[in-house]
Amino acid sequence: EAQVTQNPRYLITVTGKKLTVTCSQNMNHEYMSWYRQDPGLGLRQIYYSMNVEVTDKGDVPEGYKVSRKEKRNFPLILESPSPNQTSLYFCASAPQGPYGYTFGSGTRLTVV
Amino acid sequence: AQKVTQAQTEISVVEKEDVTLDCVYETRDTTYYLFWYKQPPSGELVFLIRRNSFDEQNEISGRYSWNFQKSTSSFNFTITASQVVDSAVYFCALSEALPGGGNEKLTFGTGTRLTIIP
Repeated sequence: EAQVTQNPRYLITVTGKKLTVTCSQNMNHEYMSWYRQDPGLGLRQIYYSMNVEVTDKGDVPEGYKVSRKEKRNFPLILESPSPNQTSLYFCASAPQGPYGYTFGSGTRLTVV
Repeated sequence: AQKVTQAQTEISVVEKEDVTLDCVYETRDTTYYLFWYKQPPSGELVFLIRRNSFDEQNEISGRYSWNFQKSTSSFNFTITASQVVDSAVYFCALSEALPGGGNEKLTFGTGTRLTIIP
């Protein structure tokens, strides 16, 4: 089944403790992206990647890092999480061209 | 900059009524794409439709229909004979060209929460 898999689904962590949210897609898509969803703000892009080793900032990149060492994986790294990063995070992938993203199931992160 | 406005924050209708969700967008691109996604209570994002800027034909899929009007920069979504299963948050989104090519950045509206009352 074609899908985007992100883990974990739920995560509660403490301020300052480094964490990684994994994302993997099995569709051989070139594009991958991370979004965060906050009430009243919709979804905002954090980082995106156009292919292996090619990444760029989205609209709200502060406090996040990404890497794209393999085509299928695009982890999101929070080096020192803070409470304002409490949010619902979505990973997504798309083939080259304007086809729209396929989204993962989401990761609900709480930073206390 | 790209912008998508969904002015309706929440809508409630009684089951079997028709309902229209509004979406207004801003872009300077001549080629762009518009999308609608559904987010049911379970939280996942479900793709509903993609429309390119050169195709202004309305589209119908079962009880769903979309009205794209470039003259008013709108891409409205109508559900006919609504059902309880239609209760969800609906997002309109606009794709823009990336510096390196492609159109894979989606700019989302803030969403409309639709509640269908049994």
